Amino acid sequence: KQEVTQIPAALSVPEGENLVLNCSFTDSAIYNLQWFRQDPGKGLTSLLLIQSSQREQTSGRLNASLDKSSGRSTLYIAASQPGDSATYLCAVPIYNQGGKLIFGQGTELSVKP
Amino acid sequence: DGGITQSPKYLFRKEGQNVTLSCEQNLNHDAMYWYRQDPGQGLRLIYYSQIVNDFQKGDIAEGYSVSREKKESFPLTVTSAQKNPTAFYLCASSITLRSNQPQHFGDGTRLSIL
Repeated sequence: KQEVTQIPAALSVPEGENLVLNCSFTDSAIYNLQWFRQDPGKGLTSLLLIQSSQREQTSGRLNASLDKSSGRSTLYIAASQPGDSATYLCAVPIYNQGGKLIFGQGTELSVKP
Repeated sequence: DGGITQSPKYLFRKEGQNVTLSCEQNLNHDAMYWYRQDPGQGLRLIYYSQIVNDFQKGDIAEGYSVSREKKESFPLTVTSAQKNPTAFYLCASSITLRSNQPQHFGDGTRLSIL
């Protein structure tokens, strides 16, 4: 059974710092891995989706990597800003069961001015 | 703008009452999903639908029901059989049910017990 874990549960950094969020999964047979952002009381915004054949995806200050063999993905945020404060979730689809996503519990990020 | 609209934003349920959460999308997506989010537990899949008039149970379907009469709409009913309904409910959609398509989410409905 696929399990997704995100450590740490919470992270606080000063503005301007580069940071890395971690996501690990137990079954390497995945089609892709998706990173989401969730602001308090809001839905999820898709940030990046990495296909299983890719190792990296970049969007602006965000860079996501994927290492299937070790069951890990990282989300790198460069030059963090207070507006980056949110909960970041990673998710993988269940192999051969359509779009059913298994989510990690999220990392709550706080960027202090 | 294309997107997913969930309503209401807040909903209160009395004992023994069924309530229905609305989810509408104008993205022309075939697949739609309902998730439940509890504090510290991440999101869990309740039901999903890959096409009109079809839907499948997810991990925690007990006490919930859905319908998919139109491509754009996937309402979720929380029945009186759901003993712990207080949670944040999120609706999502994707182009198809294939696993390499990104899912898009609505802004959620927060359900509480009176």
